Amino acid sequence: QIHLTQSGAEVKKPGASVKVSCKVFGYTLRESTLHWVRQAPGKGLEWMGGFDPGEGEILYAQKFQDRVTMTEDTSTDTAYMELSRLRSEDTAIYYCTTRLSPVYYWFDPWGQGTPVTVSS
Amino acid sequence: QSALAQPASVSGSPGQSITISCTGSSNDVGRYDYVSWYRQYPDKAPDLVIFDVTHRASGFSNRFSGSKSGNTASLTISGLRAEDEADYYCCSYSRGDFKWVFGGGTKLTVL
Repeated sequence: QIHLTQSGAEVKKPGASVKVSCKVFGYTLRESTLHWVRQAPGKGLEWMGGFDPGEGEILYAQKFQDRVTMTEDTSTDTAYMELSRLRSEDTAIYYCTTRLSPVYYWFDPWGQGTPVTVSS
Repeated sequence: QSALAQPASVSGSPGQSITISCTGSSNDVGRYDYVSWYRQYPDKAPDLVIFDVTHRASGFSNRFSGSKSGNTASLTISGLRAEDEADYYCCSYSRGDFKWVFGGGTKLTVL
């Protein structure tokens, strides 16, 4: 069964960084493209970035471009999302999700989400 | 402000049908047949409902259907049931700065 398992909740102070992991089971990172989506409390879903097969690289939403780094360790099938210079507005649940094929233009499945709280 | 516009809420009685709209632009919904819909229960991750505008995901009955006209996509749920009460989000591939754009979400209430 294909599923994604994320790391646990984090509490960080403003200005710090957070690194969230996402391990895939039932397939490999090489076969798919992994993306990160966040959801602030009571708000909607927001795409942060992910691997774009057409570009052959990880693309970031412009809003996060200077603060986010997404990496993949294909030896362990684990992806990471690091967000730096955290501020209170970054308090959200961070989800990893995937396109199981470059020709699939939808996200399925999703990880369980990692709550990140930014508070002094 | 979300890139795709959805109504904040819709409601219907059991057995009725509802439609949720998702309005984008010629850069996303109007350009690509890559609209997907997701259902999200409180404190849960989203689940794929519809992909490529009209195709149902595994586990979803033909009570769920999707369509598109111009820059607006729609999700219709017929024969409403209590378990359909959830938040629904649309998503589209985009040629803009955001490669993927989501709607702001619609809260479906089953009366």
